[in-house]
Amino acid sequence: DAGVIQSPRHEVTEMGQEVTLRCKPISGHNSLFWYRQTMMRGLELLIYFNNNVPIDDSGMPEDRFSAKMPNASFSTLKIQPSEPRDSAVYFCASSQGPHLTGHHEADTQYFGPGTRLTVL
Amino acid sequence: ELKVEQNPLFLSMQEGKNYTIYCNYSTTSDRLYWYRQDPGKSLESLFVLLSNGAVKQEGRLMASLDTKARLSTLHITAAVHDLSATYFCAVGVTGTASKLTFGTGTRLQVTL
Repeated sequence: DAGVIQSPRHEVTEMGQEVTLRCKPISGHNSLFWYRQTMMRGLELLIYFNNNVPIDDSGMPEDRFSAKMPNASFSTLKIQPSEPRDSAVYFCASSQGPHLTGHHEADTQYFGPGTRLTVL
Repeated sequence: ELKVEQNPLFLSMQEGKNYTIYCNYSTTSDRLYWYRQDPGKSLESLFVLLSNGAVKQEGRLMASLDTKARLSTLHITAAVHDLSATYFCAVGVTGTASKLTFGTGTRLQVTL
């Protein structure tokens, strides 16, 4: 399996521009997570989906952030408008989910390579 | 709200030495994970611990779980430079589906 795929790997944009980050989870995985990592705040969960449905978006910092999962193989995280404080590495992760197997090993999250976002 | 704390936050150790990283969490959990992150890279799963007293070992790393104390440890035996990385523990809470709460991470630096 190719693992979790994210694009782009690097994004440099100017303040006020719209940014869209993309993620393809591992085939067969039912849960998808978006994280943000910075030196100051560490690893933060932004939102996660089970079976394409958003379950918890309490980590989304503000209305400028939105996430969608139109199907089981694709998700986007959009920032509009972007600000310099949004600069971070954004990770997407997926897991099989225990509700199919009954085993919590299936909760193991597999992370993508990340998108390094710089907002000037 | 579940809180997950790791200590130390930073650890510099010499090759050949032993040390332990601690992960404390604040509420009852039914699963705990350890991850490794190399500088500039993504997170890689190391261990899954699912029951009280569980112990997992891979090479020079051994993880254990004490659910009564809400404590997990990651023990490093005879450290080598290749183990230099940041180590995260992550805790899942019953009833929160697949969600995990990550600790602050412990940055390990192994020197010659």
